[in-house]
Amino acid sequence: DTGVSQDPRHKITKRGQNVTFRCDPISEHNRLYWYRQTLGQGPEFLTYFQNEAQLEKSRLLSDRFSAERPKGSFSTLEIQRTEQGDSAMYLCASSLPPGAAYEQYFGPGTRLTVT
Amino acid sequence: AQSVTQLDSQVPVFEEAPVELRCNYSSSVSVYLFWYVQYPNQGLQLLLKYLSGSTLVKGINGFEAEFNKSQTSFHLRKPSVHISDTAEYFCASWRGNTDKLIFGTGTRLQVFP
Repeated sequence: DTGVSQDPRHKITKRGQNVTFRCDPISEHNRLYWYRQTLGQGPEFLTYFQNEAQLEKSRLLSDRFSAERPKGSFSTLEIQRTEQGDSAMYLCASSLPPGAAYEQYFGPGTRLTVT
Repeated sequence: AQSVTQLDSQVPVFEEAPVELRCNYSSSVSVYLFWYVQYPNQGLQLLLKYLSGSTLVKGINGFEAEFNKSQTSFHLRKPSVHISDTAEYFCASWRGNTDKLIFGTGTRLQVFP
């Protein structure tokens, strides 16, 4: 078990470009979460999957954001037409379903800078 | 709506001194409570959690927290801190029917030699 991994760790992009981040959860975890963390704030929930099904999306997730988990394993988060306000740390977490342990295991995050 | 309030944005303390990081939650239903630690440029690591049972919860690295339902608090304590405890600490709540963690804004613990 190597933990949750995220790629890339850092991404610098120009405003208007599209970016895609990848998250690989712990292999036996069927729940996968995406959070966004801005400077000086706690992580804010964006969306989560159980297996391949996306069960909830925050209103923070505008139409420019899309997340997928096509085979119930890794997930991708895409941001289209990036804006400077999208600059943040994007965190991925995975867990067993609630009722088991309620513990979410976090990856190291992808830091996005939009110039 | 559930929310989590961390009352102190920064807590400076000298090495080997005790520390308390404060957290209050608001919810009309039962909640599960967590403390996470985040070291610079890293993800979050679980320190401890309260799901039910004993109100005093012990976690990793010598930390403990006490769930107080009447005061809606879940303060984190350590009797003697080390330089290596310098990090950002987040309190979080989970309400079963929402399927997500709600985080506070964090407390920066700075331990000085």
